[in-house]
Amino acid sequence: QSVLTQPPSASATPGQTLSMSCSGSSSNVGQNPVNWYQHIPGMAPKLLLYSDNQRPSGVPDRFSGSRSGASASLAIIGLQSEDEADYYCATWDDTLDVPVFGTGTKVTVL
Amino acid sequence: QVQLVQSGAEVRKPGSSVKVSCKASGDTFDKFIFTWVRQAPGQGLEWVGGFVPTVAASSHSQHFQGRVSITADKSATTLYMELTNVTSEDTAMYYCARGLVGYPAAFDFWGQGTLVTVSS
Repeated sequence: QSVLTQPPSASATPGQTLSMSCSGSSSNVGQNPVNWYQHIPGMAPKLLLYSDNQRPSGVPDRFSGSRSGASASLAIIGLQSEDEADYYCATWDDTLDVPVFGTGTKVTVL
Repeated sequence: QVQLVQSGAEVRKPGSSVKVSCKASGDTFDKFIFTWVRQAPGQGLEWVGGFVPTVAASSHSQHFQGRVSITADKSATTLYMELTNVTSEDTAMYYCARGLVGYPAAFDFWGQGTLVTVSS
């Protein structure tokens, strides 16, 4: 259903760097900035990064993002236990003319 | 302080309708675009639809085939999402969220969520 593909899971130990991808097409990620959300079960999603790599106030700088071609990535540098959550990418799709979300990546801190 | 406060959990029978509200406070309602996003059990986030208060215009995902209606009462700074002819597949947590001005698909403030359960 989703037009943006993310790996279903990722894991690392505390302190390590963890990266995840978001793969789309020329009508979405290839054309428009990507936003990232952190979703802890039972809570509302939280905007983590917008416009590829901009952090809203209060988001630690260990979260960083990038985009190249039709793919984007989120990196968590110095993983912490509280980072265990689901992460979603989102962007505008020019063909569908709507916002689209990725399939989500479940991050486990080992 | 921006707040989006949603109405409480709902239980509906298949074929009926449900209307969820989202009261916005803390900033000028007209300045922003609002959206509805849902998450079904075990599934990811899905965009439901959006609303632009300044022009009272709404849009929605084609997935719902006209079953969703998004409206607002500007005087009450409240957003509404109505879903008709619901099925068990509409069982989900529904969130309202505010769009970050100038950044499509970036939603910076979220409601607490409303659980809609469809069961016979």
